[in-house]
Amino acid sequence: DQQVKQNSPSLSVQEGRISILNCDYTNSMFDYFLWYKKYPAEGPTFLISISSIKDKNEDGRFTVFLNKSAKHLSLHIVPSQPGDSAVYFCAARGDNDMRFGAGTRLTVKP
Amino acid sequence: NAGVMQNPRHLVRRRGQEARLRCSPMKGHSHVYWYRQLPEEGLKFMVYLQKENIIDESGMPKERFSAEFPKEGPSILRIQQVVRGDSAAYFCASSLGLAGFYEQYFGPGTRLTVT
Repeated sequence: DQQVKQNSPSLSVQEGRISILNCDYTNSMFDYFLWYKKYPAEGPTFLISISSIKDKNEDGRFTVFLNKSAKHLSLHIVPSQPGDSAVYFCAARGDNDMRFGAGTRLTVKP
Repeated sequence: NAGVMQNPRHLVRRRGQEARLRCSPMKGHSHVYWYRQLPEEGLKFMVYLQKENIIDESGMPKERFSAEFPKEGPSILRIQQVVRGDSAAYFCASSLGLAGFYEQYFGPGTRLTVT
């Protein structure tokens, strides 16, 4: 059962433009959401998070938006940089664990 | 201030052999999680352990897979009689407390290849 879904396996954007990564979830009991970034041959690293009581959280170039009624969250990166090229995982806090999406591979072209 | 350590980084096993993956959590962390990433798929939760206790193993396959986190030493994920479908990257993460309430720190992963 895929409770967290990232329907776009890949995304390509030009340097300086906005990157928008999307994530949908099915479990309305999730109350905390996170984005992780993963480079090849490394483990995922925490990027940004949002509580379900908020609809937006911003940290520098990264902003996460949460639409609870649609069970949808998105990560905006503005402006995108080549160093942002990585796989981005959306995750939701479950009972004892984190539920991850399949990831979206972002490529930022110079 | 070492991060989460996993070894080996790469492991090749023939079908039917045993695979042992090790994870040393960050200093002071007593909560360990194991995840599996199959090709073209996301991270799938396998098991959550605290020292000497399995808290949640709902993501573990019912057979051939086991995990432990002894009082001393690393956490071990053991796969007996490996099959080709076990080929994947296995990530360990540690935290001070329950995932999501406390930040999880991931290791670099062990890539298991079953030939």
